[in-house]
Amino acid sequence: KAGVTQTPRYLIKTRGQQVTLSCSPISGHRSVSWYQQTPGQGLQFLFEYFSETQRNKGNFPGRFSGRQFSNSRSEMNVSTLELGDSALYLCASSSHGTPETQYFGPGTRLLVL
Amino acid sequence: AQSVAQPEDQVNVAEGNPLTVKCTYSVSGNPYLFWYVQYPNRGLQFLLKYITGDNLVKGSYGFEAEFNKSQTSFHLKKPSALVSDSALYFCAVRDGGSSNTGKLIFGQGTTLQVKP
Repeated sequence: KAGVTQTPRYLIKTRGQQVTLSCSPISGHRSVSWYQQTPGQGLQFLFEYFSETQRNKGNFPGRFSGRQFSNSRSEMNVSTLELGDSALYLCASSSHGTPETQYFGPGTRLLVL
Repeated sequence: AQSVAQPEDQVNVAEGNPLTVKCTYSVSGNPYLFWYVQYPNRGLQFLLKYITGDNLVKGSYGFEAEFNKSQTSFHLKKPSALVSDSALYFCAVRDGGSSNTGKLIFGQGTTLQVKP
């Protein structure tokens, strides 16, 4: 089976812009979670989707949003980008999320200038 | 609140020697515990997990971990380290009492350096 794929792999944006990141889960997986990884804060949970519904949300401002489509693919959007949003954004998928193993994609590295 | 602690920022070990990467956790219910490894510019790779059962869990690439409920620890171990094991290791926990979520709480990570 193909693993979790994320596009794009690298992205450079400027402050105030918005960005959309995409994640395709492992075939058959219905749960997708997003995490932000930074040197200072480590790995932090953003949100989790299961069957197109947001099941859990981390402690991030409303500028961060996401959605899941009927084919389980997921997107996350960050509006009004700030310098502090520069990070590696990781997507993970699992078959139904509880307590199945989450398998991670390679991540999207976002640089905000 | 759930939390995970990895008390060592870096662990150095000589190739061929045993290695241990430490992890302690705090959850309100039964813990689901995971170890992941991250190589430079890569995502996280799953190594092993503890859900229930035997306290010694065996995983990928010769790694194993020991669950200790009384000490709330889940240390990662390998009998003989390889230079290629050098990477960043993360311990993570999911609260088993929160049945309707896959949310993981991660430790800060431990860099493992294996020297030839």
